[in-house]
Amino acid sequence: EPEVTQTPSHQVTQMGQEVILRCVPISNHLYFYWYRQILGQKVEFLVSFYNNEISEKSEIFDDQFSVERPDGSNFTLKIRSTKLEDSAMYFCASSEEPLGNEQFFGPGTRLTVL
Amino acid sequence: AQSVTQLDSQVPVFEEAPVELRCNYSSSVSVYLFWYVQYPNQGLQLLLKYLSGSTLVKGINGFEAEFNKSQTSFHLRKPSVHISDTAEYFCAVTNTNAGKSTFGDGTTLTVKP
Repeated sequence: EPEVTQTPSHQVTQMGQEVILRCVPISNHLYFYWYRQILGQKVEFLVSFYNNEISEKSEIFDDQFSVERPDGSNFTLKIRSTKLEDSAMYFCASSEEPLGNEQFFGPGTRLTVL
Repeated sequence: AQSVTQLDSQVPVFEEAPVELRCNYSSSVSVYLFWYVQYPNQGLQLLLKYLSGSTLVKGINGFEAEFNKSQTSFHLRKPSVHISDTAEYFCAVTNTNAGKSTFGDGTTLTVKP
């Protein structure tokens, strides 16, 4: 069964450093998403992406964040200058269509900012 | 704007007992509704979803949920739980005009022997 994969599973970085979180969505999916979950809290929407551009973003997704689909398979989330409060689990998701269709979630990348 | 309220943060229950996890939502437009399960240190797995049609939807692992439009609820139920059902459960809604999902705070289901 096809699945969304994410690398690395755990990333530890120093405050102020740049990190890139990688995702490989399901191959025939066209819509991509990033969510984050701070430890013990709910899952929060960050950004959606379609046709090589951002469709929607939340207020969390400020200028420190960016997304990219650098090739036909990867979907990346970059945090330019990490802060302590960026420590969270980051989930990538993809769907065939944007509306009502199931979003398939990856296993997540746990980001720890020291 | 849309929001999701999961009415119980923690639900302890004995094995083989029935369980109901409550979810209410608010939205100014039509929504699709989802329940996800998250086992410790793992990602999100879809349990079931309501898009249209029958208001009673059945999902994996013996779970079902009923959409009640007048009460804006989508409660999750299982007639007999197992120890392996111990996990975090999230209710989510998606605006029919947009793709992003809004999640509730989650309910921790703990099944005791």
